[in-house]
Amino acid sequence: ETGVTQTPRHLVMGMTNKKSLKCEQHLGHNAMYWYKQSAKKPLELMFVYNFKEQTENNSVPSRFSPECPNSSHLFLHLHTLQPEDSALYLCASSHHSGSMNEQYFGPGTRLTVT
Amino acid sequence: SQQGEEDPQALSIQEGENATMNCSYKTSINNLQWYRQNSGRGLVHLILIRSNEREKHSGRLRVTLDTSKKSSSLLITASRAADTASYFCATDVGDYKLSFGAGTTVTVRA
Repeated sequence: ETGVTQTPRHLVMGMTNKKSLKCEQHLGHNAMYWYKQSAKKPLELMFVYNFKEQTENNSVPSRFSPECPNSSHLFLHLHTLQPEDSALYLCASSHHSGSMNEQYFGPGTRLTVT
Repeated sequence: SQQGEEDPQALSIQEGENATMNCSYKTSINNLQWYRQNSGRGLVHLILIRSNEREKHSGRLRVTLDTSKKSSSLLITASRAADTASYFCATDVGDYKLSFGAGTTVTVRA
């Protein structure tokens, strides 16, 4: 266990559905991240939150909407997704510190868009 | 954008052998990190090496960093079946962001 949990672990949704992914960290970190991992591709950073403030939106389509109500929780709201959005979505957290940005990852949500 | 690139893409070795993989990157870094990912799971942090360090050890892992060549290597000694996983290098260029490579898939045969 890394101290970062994600729910659900698996999700199948149609293109017209609305769903949310949840991430929670129990490490006292104040930076949280969403990544997308597609087969045979590098991890794609989607969003970064630092002290609940979004500091990075890596040109992510608006059908992905993040929410960070506090430093321990992070959501990714999904609506009108496309089949190419099927991937493993990983949440991570890290401590706000100078040059030591070790990230702790959750187990991921395997998303399939039909 | 992708910063690190691992080489080789895949590696198959016999249990007990050593496994070496390399990472090249393009810009100046604060530190470089290696992560492991078992199939379909999250990434697990293995080791971090700062830009002013040249070598670091952790158990059976040895990491080197050559900032003049913008490259790093990860050596796993005396491999075990449990080492079967994908290994990623990630470069920290600041602003709490890491840039990951596509990974090296290591298979350890019994």
